[in-house]
Amino acid sequence: AQTVTQSQPEMSVQEAETVTLSCTYDTSESDYYLFWYKQPPSRQMILVIRQEAYKQQNATENRFSVNFQKAAKSFSLKISDSQLGDAAMYFCAYGTGANSKLTFGKGITLSVRP
Amino acid sequence: DAGVTQSPTHLIKTRGQHVTLRCSPISGHKSVSWYQQVLGQGPQFIFQYYEKEERGRGNFPDRFSARQFPNYSSELNVNALLLGDSALYLCASSLVRGVAEAFFGQGTRLTVV
Repeated sequence: AQTVTQSQPEMSVQEAETVTLSCTYDTSESDYYLFWYKQPPSRQMILVIRQEAYKQQNATENRFSVNFQKAAKSFSLKISDSQLGDAAMYFCAYGTGANSKLTFGKGITLSVRP
Repeated sequence: DAGVTQSPTHLIKTRGQHVTLRCSPISGHKSVSWYQQVLGQGPQFIFQYYEKEERGRGNFPDRFSARQFPNYSSELNVNALLLGDSALYLCASSLVRGVAEAFFGQGTRLTVV
């Protein structure tokens, strides 16, 4: 069974600085997707960034980038120039193309200090 | 364009009752998935429906059931509610069956007393 582990329950970052959120996963599949989702207090899960396992290049979306280490089964999220609006729960998730099932980690609470 | 809409946003039920939660996917999306998110945890997969057929089921008891309608909207039904069913129920829609991109609604907060 696939598992996703986020071992850091909380992190804090100073506004304008950079923070890295860690995630590891376990799977026997060779083709899969990895995601980072943001969940603010409004509860809606918002897709931050997506990585396809067959792509060696790390995904980037503006201030958000990932460090995807397939052999180590590691998928970390780097947030640059942190903003107050980045404060939220962040979930790492895994999925395959066979169905729409996403497996989520427990999440990490990110706070941003002004 | 409207995103994924869920109703109601909150509700309170008594143990033993039945509840129906509703989800309307993004226009053109044919896949709807349901997740349960207990406070302080990540969402857990309950069901996926694609083209009105069940395509995936998570590790939930038979008290949980769902269906998808011809317009691709979906209902999640839970019978004989338990206190442990209190959670945020999230609906996600995607264009096709795979998980290339899933869009979530704001969820229904269910409290069982």
